[in-house]
Amino acid sequence: ETGVTQTPRHLVMGMTNKKSLKCEQHLGHNAMYWYKQSAKKPLELMFVYSLEERVENNSVPSRFSPECPNSSHLFLHLHTLQPEDSALYLCASSQGLRVRTDTQYFGPGTRLTVL
Amino acid sequence: AQSVTQPDIHITVSEGASLELRCNYSYGATPYLFWYVQSPGQGLQLLLKYFSGDTLVQGIKGFEAEFKRSQSSFNLRKPSVHWSDAAEYFCAVGAQGNNDMRFGAGTRLTVKP
Repeated sequence: ETGVTQTPRHLVMGMTNKKSLKCEQHLGHNAMYWYKQSAKKPLELMFVYSLEERVENNSVPSRFSPECPNSSHLFLHLHTLQPEDSALYLCASSQGLRVRTDTQYFGPGTRLTVL
Repeated sequence: AQSVTQPDIHITVSEGASLELRCNYSYGATPYLFWYVQSPGQGLQLLLKYFSGDTLVQGIKGFEAEFKRSQSSFNLRKPSVHWSDAAEYFCAVGAQGNNDMRFGAGTRLTVKP
């Protein structure tokens, strides 16, 4: 596998379920990101990790819980979600955190539907 | 904080016609500007980026963009659109010193045969 992969590609869950999204990057990068993409809205940065340390958390509800066990893997644990959380969740990675030089590479996303 | 506006939600052009997608940004210093493309079922792919220097930037797939400081704009252009260019296009602005990029809401491009 190359680039950034995400599983599952589609997920339907009830509001009381607990599920996890997985992201894996095969680029040797040190930084990873979670974004939320809702219809007709700009991408929203949710979390940023650098060398497995969380460096940014943009006021995301606690029902979203990230985990970065190593620099290649990033998870987003979901529990007690709301219907408005339905969106495309994108993972990205970059070599570092310098916007000038460290291009972000995106995965294909997980389409989440909360019933 | 920086922000981006893409005024056009949806644009339709005929195959072979020229294309211009608009992007306006707000940022107090010299911005870092990006255009990404998202094909159906795919993640975002970087088309081009501007940091400094020549205000006309060449990217992949025949795209180019021009930075105009006086208009706070970074419009994306292509002289001749191909059917495979149908996708959603996102403009983004980054701030110096961090990797916090702010994206616009996107412009969906439809290409007519």
